[in-house]
Amino acid sequence: DAGVIQSPRHEVTEMGQEVTLRCKPISGHNSLFWYRQTMMRGLELLIYFNNNVPIDDSGMPEDRFSAKMPNASFSTLKIQPSEPRDSAVYFCASTPAGGATGELFFGEGSRLTVL
Amino acid sequence: GENVEQHPSTLSVQEGDSAVIKCTYSDSASNYFPWYKQELGKRPQLIIDIRSNVGEKKDQRIAVTLNKTAKHFSLHITETQPEDSAVYFCAASKRGGADGLTFGKGTHLIIQP
Repeated sequence: DAGVIQSPRHEVTEMGQEVTLRCKPISGHNSLFWYRQTMMRGLELLIYFNNNVPIDDSGMPEDRFSAKMPNASFSTLKIQPSEPRDSAVYFCASTPAGGATGELFFGEGSRLTVL
Repeated sequence: GENVEQHPSTLSVQEGDSAVIKCTYSDSASNYFPWYKQELGKRPQLIIDIRSNVGEKKDQRIAVTLNKTAKHFSLHITETQPEDSAVYFCAASKRGGADGLTFGKGTHLIIQP
């Protein structure tokens, strides 16, 4: 398996623009997580899905952020409009159903810079 | 919600010496405590984990201890090597990771030659 695949790896955009980050989880993994990593706040859980259903989005910072998982092999995280404080590395991670192993498998991350 | 505190934020040790990183958690219902290693520019990767029904777990040069009463757990790395240089994150979860992980802020481990 290729692991968790994220795109784009790097994104530079201007304030006010829409940003869409994409994630393909490992095949057979039923849970998907979006994390944001910054120096100041570390790794923060934004939202997670079980079987394509959003379970907990309490970590989503504000209404400018939204996430979808239309099927078992694809998820998006959208920021609209983007702001400079959204600059961070966004990681997607997946794990088998029910946390059978406990391990989260992370993608390579999407580094977002908002100017 | 869960809160995980991690110390120190930076740790510098001589190659061959031991390194210890400590974490505390707030939610007594947490039952799963993994440690992740993140090299510069790379993804976090699991190096060892422990569940609440055991007090210690070892894997070669790495060991983790858990004190549920005090709500703290520690990572021990012996005979440190240059490739151990990285940022280490502790984490906690109430459902074995199924509900995601709450991470500490990380420890930057520097191995001095």
